[in-house]
Amino acid sequence: EVQLLESGGGLVQPGGSLRLSCEASGFTFKMYAMTWVRQAPGKGLEWVSNINGRGSETYYADSVKGRFRMSRDNAKNTVYLQMNTLRAEDTAIYYCAKDACDTANCYGVDSWGQGTLVTVSS
Amino acid sequence: DIQMTQSPSTLSASVGDRVTITCRASQSISNWLAWYQQKPGKAPNLLIYKASSLESGVPSRFSGSGSGTEFTLTISSLQPDDFATYYCQQYNDYPLTFGGGTKVEIK
Repeated sequence: EVQLLESGGGLVQPGGSLRLSCEASGFTFKMYAMTWVRQAPGKGLEWVSNINGRGSETYYADSVKGRFRMSRDNAKNTVYLQMNTLRAEDTAIYYCAKDACDTANCYGVDSWGQGTLVTVSS
Repeated sequence: DIQMTQSPSTLSASVGDRVTITCRASQSISNWLAWYQQKPGKAPNLLIYKASSLESGVPSRFSGSGSGTEFTLTISSLQPDDFATYYCQQYNDYPLTFGGGTKVEIK
């Protein structure tokens, strides 16, 4: 059974930093791309970032590019999201997710963590 | 960036109704579209991928169709467990993007 356990959320002041972690189990971690998706209170889903299995390629939403950095440690089965220069509009539940992929492409997200709440407020 | 537009934003329906949700992409995404269901306080759940492929374990009353820029999610006979919010997501190009969501409410 796939399990994704996020940690690191909390209250941070505007301009501050936070690092989210997501520990994965139940699948061959290094073989799968991983994704962060966020959801502001009462709002829809927003794709944030994605990293390939080797950790050599990362992609970001325009809203976080230059401020957030996604990385992974395949030896620890863990992905990270380093969030810098945080703004009030970054307040959201952050979900860690496993990409659904076949041998050639990824085509969705098939497993999600429970989410961790990040609140940016003074 | 590719913009995804869902309609309607809210839909009121009764148990047993046939329900259709539309998702339009601002440019062609071939069939690189996924649909998710989300219930309050829960993470989303993948229903459909590659526009029309049913994810394992998802009831067959859910179906997806379309290609290019216009896509639909159909629930053939709405069940009590289906009242939720539905999102489309394009997987054609980065940055990946979600539609704004469609909330299916009890009529």
